[in-house]
Amino acid sequence: DTGVSQDPRHKITKRGQNVTFRCDPISEHNRLYWYRQTLGQGPEFLTYFQNEAQLEKSRLLSDRFSAERPKGSFSTLEIQRTEQGDSAMYLCASSLANQDEAFFGQGTRLTVV
Amino acid sequence: SQQGEEDPQALSIQEGENATMNCSYKTSINNLQWYRQNSGRGLVHLILIRSNEREKHSGRLRVTLDTSKKSSSLLITASRAADTASYFCATDAGNMLTFGGGTRLMVKP
Repeated sequence: DTGVSQDPRHKITKRGQNVTFRCDPISEHNRLYWYRQTLGQGPEFLTYFQNEAQLEKSRLLSDRFSAERPKGSFSTLEIQRTEQGDSAMYLCASSLANQDEAFFGQGTRLTVV
Repeated sequence: SQQGEEDPQALSIQEGENATMNCSYKTSINNLQWYRQNSGRGLVHLILIRSNEREKHSGRLRVTLDTSKKSSSLLITASRAADTASYFCATDAGNMLTFGGGTRLMVKP
């Protein structure tokens, strides 16, 4: 499978715990995006990388959210001290370059109990 | 904030009929993309139309773009039950895709 891969697909965690999600983009894609989607809503942009550089992170929801893409390949999204309001689908997408089609992974569904 | 807003929010049609969804946006864009999402799944890219294009076709899909009105439409012809999904428009203004709230399409067999 050469599409965007996200792991895990589902995560249940207790409030206050930290969680980390992984995204493996399509191999030749330079851009990588993270989005959050709550039920019945469209995806909400969080952050994006051009290779290993994080070019936009002002939309991260709070300082509990952070993302990395250390070698310009896979990326991780970490949420510290999770809250029930963090329950959502977290989507990763990649694209070859600016202004190209973005391809999405299947998402990680987070449930905070 | 959402850049694109889809209309209608929900649409129910019979198999074989055409479905039209509209998207309006607020600022200048480089391109506009349409995505489909089945319940609880990831988004599937359908079609991209650039700001200098007015119409584009892909199979049973037809997309139009009117930059003067800041609007786009997605037409699905000869709908099938398998087309039942949520459809989102997303605008690309350079740094990110900004999505609307989607149109939930139900195609009844």
